[in-house]
Amino acid sequence: QKEVEQNSGPLSVPEGAIASLNCTYSDRGSQSFFWYRQYSGKSPELIMFIYSNGDKEDGRFTAQLNKASQYVSLLIRDSQPSDSATYLCATGGGFGAGTTVTVRA
Amino acid sequence: SQTIHQWPATLVQPVGSPLSLECTVEGTSNPNLYWYRQAAGRGLQLLFYSVGIGQISSEVPQNLSASRPQDRQFILSSKKLLLSDSGFYLCACTTVGFEQETQYFGPGTRLLVL
Repeated sequence: QKEVEQNSGPLSVPEGAIASLNCTYSDRGSQSFFWYRQYSGKSPELIMFIYSNGDKEDGRFTAQLNKASQYVSLLIRDSQPSDSATYLCATGGGFGAGTTVTVRA
Repeated sequence: SQTIHQWPATLVQPVGSPLSLECTVEGTSNPNLYWYRQAAGRGLQLLFYSVGIGQISSEVPQNLSASRPQDRQFILSSKKLLLSDSGFYLCACTTVGFEQETQYFGPGTRLLVL
């Protein structure tokens, strides 16, 4: 299984702020990168995928990929209490341990 | 799009009892299928994956086994459960096509071994 590391967290941000999640991976051959959101007691759900270097935006979410640095990040803008969850980074079938985000109202 | 079913949703079993968890997939053919376990507050641990009927790869040596008797059916079993088998069991599949590495998860089975 490929090694994927995430910033350990937990991360607490005030409502309306930007939450920044980071992930590094060890397999330089990885081609696809994913962010999943997992609410407590529920299964992970896909929120973003990215294949190319640069930024990809989807609503309040922006994924950033830098293959040279083997780094992928997720920004959540205008954070809402409903964004409180654990976020999992994944590549080629390997998952990070997750970062728990709490948005304070 | 694919839909993954898992049952039961929750299960409480005594130590030493057998286990059978089932996963079925709708809306796709020839999927790759995966079993993960997630202990409380922990990350996903890949247990088994399958690329076709009867083809099972094990990632972690343990008292669990998996079988794939049909293209869209994946079963996780144990002959004798251990306390350490407690956790949230997730079935996942990857779709065919460009996004074939994207994994989609079923609703999970929460297992408590007492």
